[in-house]
Amino acid sequence: DGGITQSPKYLFRKEGQNVTLSCEQNLNHDAMYWYRQDPGQGLRLIYYSQIVNDFQKGDIAEGYSVSREKKESFPLTVTSAQKNPTAFYLCASSIGRNNQPQHFGDGTRLSIL
Amino acid sequence: GESVGLHLPTLSVQEGDNSIINCAYSNSASDYFIWYKQESGKGPQFIIDIRSNMDKRQGQRVTVLLNKTVKHLSLQIAATQPGDSAVYFCAETTYNNNDMRFGAGTRLTVKP
Repeated sequence: DGGITQSPKYLFRKEGQNVTLSCEQNLNHDAMYWYRQDPGQGLRLIYYSQIVNDFQKGDIAEGYSVSREKKESFPLTVTSAQKNPTAFYLCASSIGRNNQPQHFGDGTRLSIL
Repeated sequence: GESVGLHLPTLSVQEGDNSIINCAYSNSASDYFIWYKQESGKGPQFIIDIRSNMDKRQGQRVTVLLNKTVKHLSLQIAATQPGDSAVYFCAETTYNNNDMRFGAGTRLTVKP
């Protein structure tokens, strides 16, 4: 089945550690997105990529980094510079044309040890 | 409606009743709207969308209504079932999909 796979489902980070969240899609979508979800708040955009080897900062990019070396993959690294990383992270993809829905993976919950 | 803070608005309905979930959007230039359903511990699931040149769109058991005059969006669920229990939130965007804005959501609880 086509879809978006995020791994791991749960992740724990130690102080000073960088961690990488995986996002893979087999929908042949051009655009991919990373969001952060905190309790009681709407999704906030971290980074997005419209095409391979290109990505743009979203509203809350500080302390995060991404790469887009393959169309199918858009990993997110949460660096030690992100002081409040505990959240639910969601990856999404879309065809990339305007007025098309974004489709989401099932998320990674990141916590601090 | 939308919320700020830790506590989402809640809607509790009896199984078999109709549910109406509301959303007030912020940008008068928004021209594309989506409703998502999110179950606990899972990612949002696309339910239905509507473009600004329409004021109503129907799907299977769901209807979305758009009132651009007052910037209001609603999701109607007919014959609500226990499996409909989830958080529902709306999203709005202008022509460029990269500025999609999401509401915090409403928690729907269906009582058997």
